[in-house]
Amino acid sequence: KQEVTQIPAALSVPEGENLVLNCSFTDSAIYNLQWFRQDPGKGLTSLLLIQSSQREQTSGRLNASLDKSSGRSTLYIAASQPGDSATYLCASTGNTPLVFGKGTRLSVIA
Amino acid sequence: KAGVTQTPRYLIKTRGQQVTLSCSPISGHRSVSWYQQTPGQGLQFLFEYFSETQRNKGNFPGRFSGRQFSNSRSEMNVSTLELGDSALYLCASRREAGTEAFFGQGTRLTVV
Repeated sequence: KQEVTQIPAALSVPEGENLVLNCSFTDSAIYNLQWFRQDPGKGLTSLLLIQSSQREQTSGRLNASLDKSSGRSTLYIAASQPGDSATYLCASTGNTPLVFGKGTRLSVIA
Repeated sequence: KAGVTQTPRYLIKTRGQQVTLSCSPISGHRSVSWYQQTPGQGLQFLFEYFSETQRNKGNFPGRFSGRQFSNSRSEMNVSTLELGDSALYLCASRREAGTEAFFGQGTRLTVV
């Protein structure tokens, strides 16, 4: 059974800093890995989907990597801004339902 | 292109009542999944429908049920509501299994 863990649970950084969010999973036979952002009380916004055949995916200031052998994915955010403050969730996805981590709550301080 | 639409956005119900939530997926998406989100438990999977068939079911009591219609719209029903059912209910839409998932804004259910 796939289990997804995200560390740290919360992170506070000053504006402009580059940062990395971590996601680990127990089953290396992962299909795809998807990163989401959630603002308080809102739904999830898809940020990046990394297919199992890929090692990384980029969108603007975001870069996500996937290392199946080590069971890890990272989300790199460059030049963080206060508007990046949100909870970031990763999920393994495939022929089974999405399995989510508990998320990392990011605060970017101006 | 319209996103995933969930209605209603907010609901307040009394213990013992029942409730029906609706989800309209992105056009062309045949997979609809439902999740319950609470501060303590995070996101928990309820069930997934694909082309009107329930494909997967999470570990929730039988009070939670769902269905999917021929136009891919899905409904979720919770009977005999309990205080612990208060949560944000999220619906996800995918074209096929393993493809990118898109979520609606959720329905905030409060049971009093």
